[in-house]
Amino acid sequence: ETGVTQTPRHLVMGMTNKKSLKCEQHLGHNAMYWYKQSAKKPLELMFVYSLEERVENNSVPSRFSPECPNSSHLFLHLHTLQPEDSALYLCASSQDPPGWTGGRMNTEAFFGQGTRLTVV
Amino acid sequence: GQNIDQPTEMTATEGAIVQINCTYQTSGFNGLFWYQQHAGEAPTFLSYNVLDGLEEKGRFSSFLSRSKGYSYLLLKELQMKDSASYLCAVNPVQDNLFFGTGTRLTVIP
Repeated sequence: ETGVTQTPRHLVMGMTNKKSLKCEQHLGHNAMYWYKQSAKKPLELMFVYSLEERVENNSVPSRFSPECPNSSHLFLHLHTLQPEDSALYLCASSQDPPGWTGGRMNTEAFFGQGTRLTVV
Repeated sequence: GQNIDQPTEMTATEGAIVQINCTYQTSGFNGLFWYQQHAGEAPTFLSYNVLDGLEEKGRFSSFLSRSKGYSYLLLKELQMKDSASYLCAVNPVQDNLFFGTGTRLTVIP
């Protein structure tokens, strides 16, 4: 248990469906992230939220829509996905927002277990 | 741009020592992380290096040379449970963790 909880653990959806992934962190962190992990590819950063505001969007297609209602919760809304979007989606949190050290250089990220998404 | 290279797969024997190398080229440097990820599970933090040298933590050690853009993770007294993927990640200045593809380590009896 890392303090970051993701639901559901597994999701199968059709290309016309709409679904949402949920992430909750119990660590009092100020930054939350969505990563995509595909087979044989590095973890790809999708979205970063710092103090509930989006600070980074690495050119992610609009069929992925994040939402951060408060510092403990992060959602990823999915609609009209493609089969190539099938992957493991990982949520992470860290104490410090990106680019802020506060006298500390460690921006260790704590990851959730991930949601294994299959688009059919 | 950012680039991280690490071997795709490695195999080692139980009880032995294995070294997993990582080379990186990034636009800045705010530290290098190693994460362990078992199949189907979340990555978990192993080590952090921001200064040159060796950091030891039990059976695991991590080394960094900033001038060479090089790090390695050293695992001693290998156990079967050490079979996992090991992810090298760099924190460029004013940016987030940039991950390599990971090295899948298989420990055999």
